[in-house]
Amino acid sequence: AQSVAQPEDQVNVAEGNPLTVKCTYSVSGNPYLFWYVQYPNRGLQFLLKYITGDNLVKGSYGFEAEFNKSQTSFHLKKPSALVSDSALYFCAANDMRFGAGTRLTVKP
Amino acid sequence: NAGVMQNPRHLVRRRGQEARLRCSPVKGHSHVYWYRQLPEEGLKFMVYLQKENIIDESGMPKERFSAEFPKEGPSILRIQQVVRGDSAAYFCASSPPGRTVHGYTFGSGTRLTVV
Repeated sequence: AQSVAQPEDQVNVAEGNPLTVKCTYSVSGNPYLFWYVQYPNRGLQFLLKYITGDNLVKGSYGFEAEFNKSQTSFHLKKPSALVSDSALYFCAANDMRFGAGTRLTVKP
Repeated sequence: NAGVMQNPRHLVRRRGQEARLRCSPVKGHSHVYWYRQLPEEGLKFMVYLQKENIIDESGMPKERFSAEFPKEGPSILRIQQVVRGDSAAYFCASSPPGRTVHGYTFGSGTRLTVV
């Protein structure tokens, strides 16, 4: 069975600081990994995906994610957080069952 | 190039009534997925449909819930005899064949309130 885990319910960072939102996966076969963001009262928006190739994937709004096969992780990162990045972030794997989500709060 | 369209955006039903939620996928997408999100919770997979076929309904409650994706028209999620616990946001997503590669496009959701 495929699954992803987001170990942190909540991440708080100060504006301008780097942010990381963690995701680990368990899949059989090749992992296809996705990050989505949900703003209040909205649907999910696609941020980026890893299918194959470079372990560092760049996506929308300055986000990137690093695929680490040995640690079975796909952490979402951004070098300098913005207040407008505050949202709910979801990781998903091959069968598109989502992690529980991580609420990111960026404080001015 | 419209995305996934869900309607209504907000739906209020009294206990015991029926709720019908509609989802029109991205043009050309033949796969539709429904998710439920309770307040302050993650997304729970409900059902995966292709045209005229239910592929995976492992996340659907055994009773009162049904889904269809007819040859023509939108996908429908139907909840019969709603109860207060059905109050949630219901999201639809669509993809072309090969969802594991393409990922999904989501609609803005229908927020169901049962009073």
